[in-house]
Amino acid sequence: DQQVKQNSPSLSVQEGRISILNCDYTNSMFDYFLWYKKYPAEGPTFLISISSIKDKNEDGRFTVFLNKSAKHLSLHIVPSQPGDSAVYFCAATDSWGKLQFGAGTQVVVTP
Amino acid sequence: NAGVTQTPKFQVLKTGQSMTLQCAQDMNHNSMYWYRQDPGMGLRLIYYSASEGTTDKGEVPNGYNVSRLNKREFSLRLESAAPSQTSVYFCASSVPGHLQETQYFGPGTRLLVL
Repeated sequence: DQQVKQNSPSLSVQEGRISILNCDYTNSMFDYFLWYKKYPAEGPTFLISISSIKDKNEDGRFTVFLNKSAKHLSLHIVPSQPGDSAVYFCAATDSWGKLQFGAGTQVVVTP
Repeated sequence: NAGVTQTPKFQVLKTGQSMTLQCAQDMNHNSMYWYRQDPGMGLRLIYYSASEGTTDKGEVPNGYNVSRLNKREFSLRLESAAPSQTSVYFCASSVPGHLQETQYFGPGTRLLVL
């Protein structure tokens, strides 16, 4: 029973445009959310996170939005660049729990 | 500073064979983890070690054992490999204690069980 769901397995976006990745969760005890980025043949690398006491966190081109009432978070990448082509994993955890990962979204940034 | 290293990078096993996946980190992290990644499933936690000398089961521990050899090293053993264990295995570590902290991943071990 997956508690973190990324319903879009892939996303194609033009260079310079906005990429929006979505993530839904079912466990209301989750209070910390993270996004990881993964290139082929490499391990995931941490991208950005947000605590449940916030509804937005921004780091350069990356912004994560959290809607607790809808149990939904999204990652915005503006502007998208070719180097952003990767698989993005959403993850969530409660205070002393383990990370639960979504299935990932493959982003392809086209010229 | 190598971060998290894993050996081997790729391994083919026959059903019933055993093997140990090695993981080491040089970031002085207390907590270490083993995950498996399967298509459409994301990463699933197999075992973790919150600190040296302790290990706990994750979401999918059946068929695996772990050893926290010291603070740096955390190994994953398959005693009798099965085709269902064909996967990509990732080791990770995090800063002392708190499981919410950012985890740093190794490059992965791709395992094929025939």
